Amino acid sequence: GIQVEQSPPDLILQEGANSTLRCNFSDSVNNLQWFHQNPWGQLINLFYIPSGTKQNGRLSATTVATERYSLLYISSSQTTDSGVYFCAGGGFKTIFGAGTRLFVKA
Amino acid sequence: GAVVSQHPSWVICKSGTSVKIECRSLDFQATTMFWYRQFPKQSLMLMATSNEGSKATYEQGVEKDKFLINHASLTLSTLTVTSAHPEDSSFYICSAEMRDLEAFFGQGTRLTVV
Repeated sequence: GIQVEQSPPDLILQEGANSTLRCNFSDSVNNLQWFHQNPWGQLINLFYIPSGTKQNGRLSATTVATERYSLLYISSSQTTDSGVYFCAGGGFKTIFGAGTRLFVKA
Repeated sequence: GAVVSQHPSWVICKSGTSVKIECRSLDFQATTMFWYRQFPKQSLMLMATSNEGSKATYEQGVEKDKFLINHASLTLSTLTVTSAHPEDSSFYICSAEMRDLEAFFGQGTRLTVV
């Protein structure tokens, strides 16, 4: 099956800093997504991005489908950005990466 | 985006009893829903694919007799944890996909078996 690798596993930032999270897939996927899991466990859809680039406020994402990776950019990080960020995708089934645990310090 | 509602949000049950978790797509029809399990500080692991009108497809290592899945309509899938034991305590979360394969998730259910 498809393998999803995320890096880095953990990230500590000072408020205001920028960061890039990476997601690599072992095979082509047609439904790549980025999620933020809040402290209550709710998965928040950030981007549905099988290819190309999208932006939403301080967040943006780029997927290079031919090279099987995606990047999530967080600019001017805030303490409320803390949490776990997952990328996920697959063919018929959506498989999750291990996540990046982000902590933003005030 | 689409809305997927999961109920209950949390449940505590005694060992040996069964617990049913509901997953509803509120504003779209979903012929397929998915059930995941998440242990603390770990990722989401796919348990099974729920197919409307047919049997669920379970991932390797998931006991189908322990985790009963029913997808009775295009908007409702249920997961029943049968004869629950403390090791079944976990966070269970469902998802449904739109036609373009974008997945939306329920709020999750935190199950504690005592």
